[in-house]
Amino acid sequence: KAGVTQTPRYLIKTRGQQVTLSCSPISGHRSVSWYQQTPGQGLQFLFEYFSETQRNKGNFPGRFSGRQFSNSRSEMNVSTLELGDSALYLCASSLASTGRYEQYFGPGTRLTVT
Amino acid sequence: AQSVTQLGSHVSVSEGALVLLRCNYSSSVPPYLFWYVQYPNQGLQLLLKYTTGATLVKGINGFEAEFKKSETSFHLTKPSAHMSDAAEYFCAVSARSQGAQKLVFGQGTRLTINP
Repeated sequence: KAGVTQTPRYLIKTRGQQVTLSCSPISGHRSVSWYQQTPGQGLQFLFEYFSETQRNKGNFPGRFSGRQFSNSRSEMNVSTLELGDSALYLCASSLASTGRYEQYFGPGTRLTVT
Repeated sequence: AQSVTQLGSHVSVSEGALVLLRCNYSSSVPPYLFWYVQYPNQGLQLLLKYTTGATLVKGINGFEAEFKKSETSFHLTKPSAHMSDAAEYFCAVSARSQGAQKLVFGQGTRLTINP
């Protein structure tokens, strides 16, 4: 069974631009979560989608948004990029939207904002 | 609300020695607990998890962890370190509730193995 895939793997953007990251979950998984990883703040939860609905949201500004499609694929969008948005963005998929199911992580998209 | 504290941002052991990575959690509800490993330029890989039942949990690559409710701990151990164990390790907690698929991670512990 194929794992979680994320595209693109690397991205360089300029401050003020917007970016869209894509995540394809493991087949059969309906929950997709997004995390931001930075050296200073560590791993922080952005949001979770289940059956095309946002179920949970972390403490990030409204510039960070996401959506999920009927095939469970998910996209994350960051508008008006800031230098501090440079990070590794990780997507994780899970069978269901309860805490007991493990999340399977993709390799991440490394975003650099200049 | 949940939180995780990993004691020691860097741990160094000799090859063949015991690996002990410490994790303490705080949770207002009974937690689910996880250990993940991250190799350079990769995502996170699940090592093991505790949900219910036996408090000593065995995972992949010879790792195990014990859930101790009284100590709010979930320390990760491996009897004999291997060079390939060098990586960053993250302890995480999630809540036992529907619609709460949110992992709260510790700051991570970088494990170095000395030959």
